[in-house]
Amino acid sequence: KNQVEQSPQSLIILEGKNCTLQCNYTVSPFSNLRWYKQDTGRGPVSLTIMTFSENTKSNGRYTATLDADTKQSSLHITASQLSDSASYICVVSGDSNYQLIWGAGTKLIIKP
Amino acid sequence: DAGITQSPRHKVTETGTPVTLRCHQTENHRYMYWYRQDPGHGLRLIHYSYGVKDTDKGEVSDGYSVSRSKTEDFLLTLESATSSQTSVYFCAISESMAGGPNEQYFGPGTRLTVT
Repeated sequence: KNQVEQSPQSLIILEGKNCTLQCNYTVSPFSNLRWYKQDTGRGPVSLTIMTFSENTKSNGRYTATLDADTKQSSLHITASQLSDSASYICVVSGDSNYQLIWGAGTKLIIKP
Repeated sequence: DAGITQSPRHKVTETGTPVTLRCHQTENHRYMYWYRQDPGHGLRLIHYSYGVKDTDKGEVSDGYSVSRSKTEDFLLTLESATSSQTSVYFCAISESMAGGPNEQYFGPGTRLTVT
């Protein structure tokens, strides 16, 4: 069964610290992997889209990595800010029908 | 929110009543989607549209119907609302089929409570 699992479910860190969020997937075949940021009460907003051949992709203080062999991805946030408080969702696209498999998300709280 | 509006933003309704949610886009994107988001679950696709009058079911389509009479509007109807349909509903748009190289853009969501 195609699944996307994220860890941890929730995370609290102090402002200015770094953190890494994990995503493991069993989707096969694979087309691409996305990370979304969802602020409370808002719709998801795309951070990155990575294809099979991309190992690392950055968007400002956000860096996503992808290991297609182990089917793992991570999202690293550098020098966290209060505005980074949000849910971060990993989404994987299967190549067969472009269906998106959504993870349940990691809720990140940044404390001053 | 990339030129996507949803209405209403909040609604409380009673079990058994019909409910229609509206999604309106100004981006002229071909594809439009309805998702629901529930605690502990990833977003789940209800229905999607790949053009005017062209729609298809997603993974949780039971109890829902959709219509798209214009490029810019995609309506989601709950024919007879049930408490299990209490959720936050998101509309999304994209230039190409979801899962391809193009991004999906999401609306602000509609919080629906069925009592």
